[in-house]
Amino acid sequence: DQQVKQNSPSLSVQEGRISILNCDYTNSMFDYFLWYKKYPAEGPTFLISISSIKDKNEDGRFTVFLNKSAKHLSLHIVPSQPGDSAVYFCAASEFPLVGGGSNYKLTFGKGTLLTVNP
Amino acid sequence: ETGVTQTPRHLVMGMTNKKSLKCEQHLGHNAMYWYKQSAKKPLELMFVYSLEERVENNSVPSRFSPECPNSSHLFLHLHTLQPEDSALYLCASSQDWGVQFFGPGTRLTVL
Repeated sequence: DQQVKQNSPSLSVQEGRISILNCDYTNSMFDYFLWYKKYPAEGPTFLISISSIKDKNEDGRFTVFLNKSAKHLSLHIVPSQPGDSAVYFCAASEFPLVGGGSNYKLTFGKGTLLTVNP
Repeated sequence: ETGVTQTPRHLVMGMTNKKSLKCEQHLGHNAMYWYKQSAKKPLELMFVYSLEERVENNSVPSRFSPECPNSSHLFLHLHTLQPEDSALYLCASSQDWGVQFFGPGTRLTVL
């Protein structure tokens, strides 16, 4: 049973417009969420994260929103650029505590392929 | 070298071969991970090492054998694999249980 779901396998957006990537989770113990970006022939690279004490985190063109009651998060990219074309993975874990328990476990979604057209 | 490196980048092996995947992290981290990514599936955690001790073995078949000789190096020894083991194998590292940084992966094909 998938605990982290990215229901859209792909998304196509025009350059300059907003890209919205969605992620849903089922495990109420998840408290910390991350987005990774992956180009072909490269490993995933960390993009942005959010903990459950926040509902929004912003870093430049990238903003992550968390709706804990709906168990839903989204990644907004504004404005979208052709270089943003990649697979985006949502991941979740319990809040990472130094030296603690099973907080290292990241549960990943299957990813969404974003294509930004010039 | 910077970040997390993995060698080889591509590997084709027969079911009777023995091979090893190598991962090296240049970030000074103290935890390392092996993940498997099969087609159309999420990344699956295989092994976790913290301070060179195995913390997690996520029900992985014994034909996969990890080794962590020091905090910078991680190996995955492969023997008598099956065609369904063909996948992208990703190594990652982190400081304590913080954000994980990934290597580029080894694309493994088992014939």
